[in-house]
Amino acid sequence: QVQLVQSGAEVRKPGASVKVSCKASGYSLTDYSITWVRQAPGQGLEWMGWISAYNGNTMYAQNLRGRVTLTTDTSTSTAYMELRSLTSDDTAVYFCARKVLGLDSWGQGTLVTVSS
Amino acid sequence: QSALTQPASVSGSLGQSITISCTGSGTDIGAYPYVSWYQQHSDKAPKLVILDVTNRPSGISHRFSGSKSGFTASLTISGLRTEDEGDYYCSSYTGDKTLIFGGGTKLTVL
Repeated sequence: QVQLVQSGAEVRKPGASVKVSCKASGYSLTDYSITWVRQAPGQGLEWMGWISAYNGNTMYAQNLRGRVTLTTDTSTSTAYMELRSLTSDDTAVYFCARKVLGLDSWGQGTLVTVSS
Repeated sequence: QSALTQPASVSGSLGQSITISCTGSGTDIGAYPYVSWYQQHSDKAPKLVILDVTNRPSGISHRFSGSKSGFTASLTISGLRTEDEGDYYCSSYTGDKTLIFGGGTKLTVL
């Protein structure tokens, strides 16, 4: 069955970077885009962007452009989300999900904590 | 772009029906047939329950239905069950090829 398995929780200091992985199984990564969504503690869902694993095309949320980079490694069926210049406002659970619209399969989430 | 507007909370009794609204604008909900709804239980990943305004993914109960009129989309859950309790989020495709979510609605089953 389709599965997205994310890397484990991370703790970073303000100003640092974090890279979260999302390994796909049960389907070919290149058949669908991967979307990234985050959720701050007690808050709603925030769309971050998506990447086509087929051709590498990306689209990012305007408020994150310049700080976030989405990539894929088709040889390992893994998608990555890197976020730079972290602040406490970036403390959240980060999810990867399959597709661009109608996100039909989600990773389990990765907690990123930004604290000095 | 601001989040889509959802009521903060709704409640209903076991067996009853409830409807959650999601209001956007002419550049998102009003412009495209790409509204989705997600159910999220505490500390879990969201789960897709409706896509493309009215379609149910495989395995989703027929008790879940979606609709849209103008700039407002709606999710209706009939025959409420205790397991329906949780947070519900709408999302819509937007004109600049991005996705926008609603602020979320907490459903309480009485």
